[in-house]
Amino acid sequence: GENVEQHPSTLSVQEGDSAVIKCTYSDSASNYFPWYKQELGKRPQLIIDIRSNVGEKKDQRIAVTLNKTAKHFSLHITETQPEDSAVYFCAVRNYGGSQGNLIFGKGTKLSVKP
Amino acid sequence: DADVTQTPRNRITKTGKRIMLECSQTKGHDRMYWYRQDPGLGLRLIYYSFDVKDINKGEISDGYSVSRQAQAKFSLSLESAIPNQTALYFCAAETGSNTGELFFGEGSRLTVL
Repeated sequence: GENVEQHPSTLSVQEGDSAVIKCTYSDSASNYFPWYKQELGKRPQLIIDIRSNVGEKKDQRIAVTLNKTAKHFSLHITETQPEDSAVYFCAVRNYGGSQGNLIFGKGTKLSVKP
Repeated sequence: DADVTQTPRNRITKTGKRIMLECSQTKGHDRMYWYRQDPGLGLRLIYYSFDVKDINKGEISDGYSVSRQAQAKFSLSLESAIPNQTALYFCAAETGSNTGELFFGEGSRLTVL
């Protein structure tokens, strides 16, 4: 089955700096790669996603890049702000697979210090 | 927003007790999921349902069962709770049409003593 590795598990940056979180996956047939943000005490919410026919996608200060050959994708947050502090989860999905479920990474706790 | 509601939000119980966590959604989505969240372990899939007649095990289904009573309702049961089932449980509903977005409920924190 699919295996998703997420690094780092914790990340601390100064406000204004950039943050990068990386995930690797094992199933080359996976074709959907979302990122979820979970603020303290809240539910996970989708912040950005990318599909296998796209190499990069941006939404204001966040971007996701995908390297299908190497089977990894990354979340980039620029000009970090204290409200970016949260746990971020990557996930992987194969829509053509027998189940097509989202498999989540173990999460990265991002702390942005003012 | 899929408006996913979970009850109870918090529950403390004792080993051996039967517990039911309930989930409902108001947008008529076919797909519903139950996840378990533990610190450092991310979100692990317990059970999922693609429609009322379809129930499937996830990666950690042992010790759990589910019921899809209606399109809008998906319940998770622990027949005989044990302490290592202490966790935060999330229900989620999916928008469908291959958009892929899961809408999560607010979570149910379960403590088994």
